[in-house]
Amino acid sequence: GALVYQYPRRTICKSGTSMRMECQAVGFQATSVAWYRQSPQKTFELIALSTVNSAIKYEQNFTQEKFPISHPNLSFSSMTVLNAYLEDRGLYLCGASRNTGQLYFGEGSKLTVL
Amino acid sequence: GEQVEQLPSILRVQEGSSASINCTYENSASNYFPWYKQEPGENPKLIIDIRSNMERKQTQGLIVLLDKKAKRFSLHITDTQPGDSAMYFCAASANNNAPRFGAGTKLSVKP
Repeated sequence: GALVYQYPRRTICKSGTSMRMECQAVGFQATSVAWYRQSPQKTFELIALSTVNSAIKYEQNFTQEKFPISHPNLSFSSMTVLNAYLEDRGLYLCGASRNTGQLYFGEGSKLTVL
Repeated sequence: GEQVEQLPSILRVQEGSSASINCTYENSASNYFPWYKQEPGENPKLIIDIRSNMERKQTQGLIVLLDKKAKRFSLHITDTQPGDSAMYFCAASANNNAPRFGAGTKLSVKP
């Protein structure tokens, strides 16, 4: 079956430092990887959609300078939260897709900023 | 626009009764509508989805309806059990773009 592994599960970082999270697709080719953030008590905000061999599409309010993403092959993607501050805390989720629209989510990376 | 509206935000039902969650979307090009269940501390899990070539889909006590004219879709949980208590999110996507999520519904099923 299709599985998505995401790590680390939790990170506590100091304000102004950075956090990198990784997403590994197993059992299928992750043509597209979408990164979301779920802030406390909120829904899932789309950060960006990365499709192999295409430019990464960032949503309004999210930039490559703040959330650089790498998607070098059909099984791996990573995203970094640079210079994290309190408003960046939340659960970050990667969702990998075979390009059918159906996303398989990783377990999430919970970011706490002190 | 890409907004997905979801109501209600909180839903409390008695065990054995049914629960309904409604969503509307703006983008008429949307063609894929997944529903996710998220338990506390867990990632969201896909429970059922429907594509725009269907109006109704049913699986294991879940029914989803899609009204493309009204840009509305809904999830109906029949014979609810305490284990159905969770956050539920609807989402809509167009042409293999990343799904946009609704705000979520907190379902509580009382024994």
